[in-house]
Amino acid sequence: GAVVSQHPSWVICKSGTSVKIECRSLDFQATTMFWYRQFPKQSLMLMATSNEGSKATYEQGVEKDKFLINHASLTLSTLTVTSAHPEDSSFYICSARDPAGGPGEQFFGPGTRLTVL
Amino acid sequence: AQSVTQPDIHITVSEGASLELRCNYSYGATPYLFWYVQSPGQGLQLLLKYFSGDTLVQGIKGFEAEFKRSQSSFNLRKPSVHWSDAAEYFCAVGSSGGYQKVTFGTGTKLQVIP
Repeated sequence: GAVVSQHPSWVICKSGTSVKIECRSLDFQATTMFWYRQFPKQSLMLMATSNEGSKATYEQGVEKDKFLINHASLTLSTLTVTSAHPEDSSFYICSARDPAGGPGEQFFGPGTRLTVL
Repeated sequence: AQSVTQPDIHITVSEGASLELRCNYSYGATPYLFWYVQSPGQGLQLLLKYFSGDTLVQGIKGFEAEFKRSQSSFNLRKPSVHWSDAAEYFCAVGSSGGYQKVTFGTGTKLQVIP
């Protein structure tokens, strides 16, 4: 089946620094990837839709200048949390659409735990 | 706008007992429906999906779900629960247009007791 990886799996950083999270589709090309944020004991909240070769589409209320998304190739999307603060601490999960998969079907990465001190 | 409701936040069942997790959706057209499972600190694994056709869908790990259009439901079932099934379960509905975004329910945490 389709495999999506994320790196790093966890990261701790100081307040004010920037953190980059990578999302890769390992065995398929993904024109569309999604970034989610999950707070403890809560559901996934879609942050943005990442499209290869074009600007990301952000959901309402998500700061695009804080959460920079780049979909540089058909297998890689990155999320950069700029000037991170403790309230940005969360579990970030990416997913990718496999064009060969069914409509709406997404394959999820294992997630990245971000802790901002 | 599409939405998903999972009315049960937490469910406890005994190992070997049957399980049903409820899911109700709201979507204007024929929905694409999914059930995912998430173990602590992990990503999501797809259990099963419904796009069209047979309303009873079989998935991995012995799970099945039934799509009932009249009730706007897509409940997940398993005849005999194993301790390893303890996890968080998410129902989701996908749109057919645009980027085919998926909306998740709030999740049901399953606890399995010996």
